Amino acid sequence: AQSVTQLDSHVSVSEGTPVLLRCNYSSSYSPSLFWYVQHPNKGLQLLLKYTSAATLVKGINGFEAEFKKSETSFHLTKPSAHMSDAAEYFCVVSAITGGGNKLTFGTGTQLKVEL
Amino acid sequence: DGGITQSPKYLFRKEGQNVTLSCEQNLNHDAMYWYRQDPGQGLRLIYYSQIVNDFQKGDIAEGYSVSREKKESFPLTVTSAQKNPTAFYLCASRQGTGGRLNTEAFFGQGTRLTVV
Repeated sequence: AQSVTQLDSHVSVSEGTPVLLRCNYSSSYSPSLFWYVQHPNKGLQLLLKYTSAATLVKGINGFEAEFKKSETSFHLTKPSAHMSDAAEYFCVVSAITGGGNKLTFGTGTQLKVEL
Repeated sequence: DGGITQSPKYLFRKEGQNVTLSCEQNLNHDAMYWYRQDPGQGLRLIYYSQIVNDFQKGDIAEGYSVSREKKESFPLTVTSAQKNPTAFYLCASRQGTGGRLNTEAFFGQGTRLTVV
């Protein structure tokens, strides 16, 4: 079985300050991990993915995430928040199940960026 | 342009009616997925298909049905048996997986279904 826990449902930061969105995962198989972003009433856009090549993954728009196997974590960070970063962010784990290759989503973190 | 098209963007139906949501992709992807999104619950998997003419139930399949007669199409029917069908529905596709776990999913823009 696999699961994802996003530890904060809402995060609020000031523009120009760092962003940290936390994600822990559980998987009985070596997983692949993804972060997606969703703007209101839109589909999801891939920010970055971990595929076992490197533990520190760089994505679009200045985001990055570090895979820590010992902590089963894949936290998303950005050094300096921008107003356009305000959106909902989803951590996703992918692993083979009996019926195929499933993607399991966390419940999401709503990021608010204030002036 | 390659991508996933969901239609319509907004859909209104009366309670007790079946309704079918369209999802088409021209990315030549083998795998396709349907998710339901409700506030505060993230995305929950309804059905997925790894290959044409085959599909699997996800975590919340009750009250839904799908077909996969063509590689590019994966329509979702919300039946009258679905107790709370009002939600935002997202379709996704993914390159043929098999043993590969690192392919990302591409999403459509979603269909917001309201049942009155």
